[in-house]
Amino acid sequence: AQKVTQAQTEISVVEKEDVTLDCVYETRDTTYYLFWYKQPPSGELVFLIRRNSFDEQNEISGRYSWNFQKSTSSFNFTITASQVVDSAVYFCALSETGNTDKLIFGTGTRLQVFP
Amino acid sequence: SAVISQKPSRDICQRGTSLTIQCQVDSQVTMMFWYRQQPGQSLTLIATANQGSEATYESGFVIDKFPISRPNLTFSTLTVSNMSPEDSSIYLCSVVPGGTGNTEAFFGQGTRLTVV
Repeated sequence: AQKVTQAQTEISVVEKEDVTLDCVYETRDTTYYLFWYKQPPSGELVFLIRRNSFDEQNEISGRYSWNFQKSTSSFNFTITASQVVDSAVYFCALSETGNTDKLIFGTGTRLQVFP
Repeated sequence: SAVISQKPSRDICQRGTSLTIQCQVDSQVTMMFWYRQQPGQSLTLIATANQGSEATYESGFVIDKFPISRPNLTFSTLTVSNMSPEDSSIYLCSVVPGGTGNTEAFFGQGTRLTVV
């Protein structure tokens, strides 16, 4: 069965620290998609990245980077030089092809960045 | 991309009543998804709504409690029926234009429901 695990419930860091949010997934499909979303205190879901299962290249976007490792079924997210505005709940999600595009979300990691 | 307008943005309702949440998309989409986010929890899919057919409900969710309408390719409603305080959650509408093979899932801003 498909499942997404975010073992870190809450992380607190001080500004400018680097922080990594862990995501481990389970799926029987060979083709699937992984996502990260940010949910700031205002409540809306902000899309960060989508990665398909055939693309294991790591990705960097500004202060954000993602490490996808199929061997360990992990899709970890690192914020470099964190800022107070990064404070939010971050969700990792999985979508399996042929499964009507519905998303299976992890339980989320609440990140608090203190000045 | 897709822009989703969800109404109402928030509401406080009496137990035993029903609330209908509307979701309007600025483009035609085959499927629309309704999620629930209970306080401090993750998002859980309630059902998938296809135009012209009955919605498909996930385990633990039933049509009598969460009836869904999908009259056309840009609009859907979710009704939370006979509400109890346990229904207090954020309800979100989502679409995936072109399927996840091509793009991201877009979400409405959510409806924050409090049942008293």
